[in-house]
Amino acid sequence: DSGVTQTPKHLITATGQRVTLRCSPRSGDLSVYWYQQSLDQGLQFLIQYYNGEERAKGNILERFSAQQFPDLHSELNLSSLELGDSALYFCASSVGDRYNEQFFGPGTRLTVL
Amino acid sequence: GDSVTQMEGPVTLSEEAFLTINCTYTATGYPSLFWYVQYPGEGLQLLLKATKADDKGSNKGFEATYRKETTSFHLEKGSVQVSDSAVYFCAITANQAGTALIFGKGTTLSVSS
Repeated sequence: DSGVTQTPKHLITATGQRVTLRCSPRSGDLSVYWYQQSLDQGLQFLIQYYNGEERAKGNILERFSAQQFPDLHSELNLSSLELGDSALYFCASSVGDRYNEQFFGPGTRLTVL
Repeated sequence: GDSVTQMEGPVTLSEEAFLTINCTYTATGYPSLFWYVQYPGEGLQLLLKATKADDKGSNKGFEATYRKETTSFHLEKGSVQVSDSAVYFCAITANQAGTALIFGKGTTLSVSS
């Protein structure tokens, strides 16, 4: 158990809908990262937050957004969902924002029908 | 941009066989290097890491050495077990985007008794 929790574990929805994925980092970790894992693209970095502020952006679509709240939990919002958004979404956390070990949550499997 | 290339699988071995999974990277500067393992239905776990040239990371019988001259970080284990069956990901830090990880596509290892 990495100490990172993600909810829900599974999510099934329809095209055009909007969903929110939630992540709670390990106690004491200030950074949260979101990754998408799909069969064709592999594991791709989406976005990082550090202590409530956006720190880095990767291949995140404009339809996707995230935020980190004062209690350090983070939410990833996915809107106008398409079939191709079906994937495993992982959250990871680390103590700092630079060259720290990242601990991964169990992931949320999103299926868009 | 930064990238990671790792050997494609699946790799199928008998118990107690020697394992090598090749990983090479392209990066500006001096990235940190990681191997993560993903067991079926689970999130990613850090297996080992190396942060500077010639460093050797090791854990649970697995080893990898940071070779700057060949930009490689090959994973090795002298005697694999059935319980090592999993997907192995080589990753580097993305210097341009802070500490986000860039992953290889993963190598599936299957060990039979």
